[in-house]
Amino acid sequence: GQQVMQIPQYQHVQEGEDFTTYCNSSTTLSNIQWYKQRPGGHPVFLIQLVKSGEVKKQKRLTFQFGEAKKNSSLHITATQTTDVGTYFCAGSKAAGNKLTFGGGTRVLVKP
Amino acid sequence: DAGVTQSPTHLIKTRGQQVTLRCSPISGHKSVSWYQQVLGQGPQFIFQYYEKEERGRGNFPDRFSARQFPNYSSELNVNALLLGDSALYLCASLRAGGTDTQYFGPGTRLTVL
Repeated sequence: GQQVMQIPQYQHVQEGEDFTTYCNSSTTLSNIQWYKQRPGGHPVFLIQLVKSGEVKKQKRLTFQFGEAKKNSSLHITATQTTDVGTYFCAGSKAAGNKLTFGGGTRVLVKP
Repeated sequence: DAGVTQSPTHLIKTRGQQVTLRCSPISGHKSVSWYQQVLGQGPQFIFQYYEKEERGRGNFPDRFSARQFPNYSSELNVNALLLGDSALYLCASLRAGGTDTQYFGPGTRLTVL
């Protein structure tokens, strides 16, 4: 079945530094979505990418969808303590209605 | 997200018991998806319902069942509970199903002893 993997599993970042988390799928995706889950909370939708090579920005967050539509990345610049949480990517196959989540990248920020 | 409600918030059951979890989607949304999130892992897809019909099912045993009502609210039932069923159960509200943006509710934390 479809598998979605994220690396790294944990990311310790110094406040103010940049980092990138990666998402890789075993199959070609129709679209990919990113979610953020704060400790003790529930996943909150961040963005959806649909087109091959698509890049979208949200303030300090930059999301990219690979040309082959099998991988994606999230880059955060000038990390802040409010960025703490787990970032999940979730993908679906064409014409599917099943969203497969990766294992998440847990981000800890050192002040 | 705001507008999606789930009940109860927390639940403690013993092995072999049955449990029913409830979800009300955002007003105007016609689809709900259910996910199981074990501690430290990503959400795992259980079911999706749209207009009261099942539109997708994940790799879960038949002990898991769900339904959607005419007002688009939904229930997830789990029979013959196992220790491994302990998890956060998330309901997501979607406008029209498929792979629309999923707006998650706060979840129900189920503990099986």
